[in-house]
Amino acid sequence: SAVISQKPSRDICQRGTSLTIQCQVDSQVTMMFWYRQQPGQSLTLIATANQGSEATYESGFVIDKFPISRPNLTFSTLTVSNMSPEDSSIYLCSVEQGNYGYTFGSGTRLTVV
Amino acid sequence: DAKTTQPNSMESNEEEPVHLPCNHSTISGTDYIHWYRQLPSQGPEYVIHGLTSNVNNRMASLAIAEDRKSSTLILHRATLRDAAVYYCILIFNLNPYNQGGKLIFGQGTELSVKP
Repeated sequence: SAVISQKPSRDICQRGTSLTIQCQVDSQVTMMFWYRQQPGQSLTLIATANQGSEATYESGFVIDKFPISRPNLTFSTLTVSNMSPEDSSIYLCSVEQGNYGYTFGSGTRLTVV
Repeated sequence: DAKTTQPNSMESNEEEPVHLPCNHSTISGTDYIHWYRQLPSQGPEYVIHGLTSNVNNRMASLAIAEDRKSSTLILHRATLRDAAVYYCILIFNLNPYNQGGKLIFGQGTELSVKP
């Protein structure tokens, strides 16, 4: 199955700033997914990113707050913009792997102070 | 995506089998049943998936009811490293190669394993 490298693994940011999270896959994939996991909660899908098209956002998530880039079939970024303490979460990327299911990155633990 | 229902938590003893149930009474004919687990401080990990027939792999077995309205993940011998949150997820697939769907997570079952 694919290996996903996600960076940074953790960060502490000031409110009002932005953080860009990178997700690199060691093979070409059609679709990449971005999730948020708030403390003690399950995962919530933020958006689906296809190469060459605009990301598709789930209800409650907007492009201005979580802009996503997908420049090629192995890479994507998620930016958390104008951060507030409520954005403190773990952010994860994921890719589909056919008969291997879906593979997840190790996550980015974000703390906003 | 169809909804699944799982118990919030379960306990098991080490080296005993564990049966984790999942109800999905509104499953459609094209929904695959996926199971993932999330160990503490890690991203989710694929465990197994199936459509109609029971499935086995090195990690677990998946038993699917004949009417597909429920399934059971079976860990044959629980170890302390199996302590995790287990998620049962239905995913709509357009073709046999599992392309195009998105995983929507519920709350899962938190499995604790006692020595």
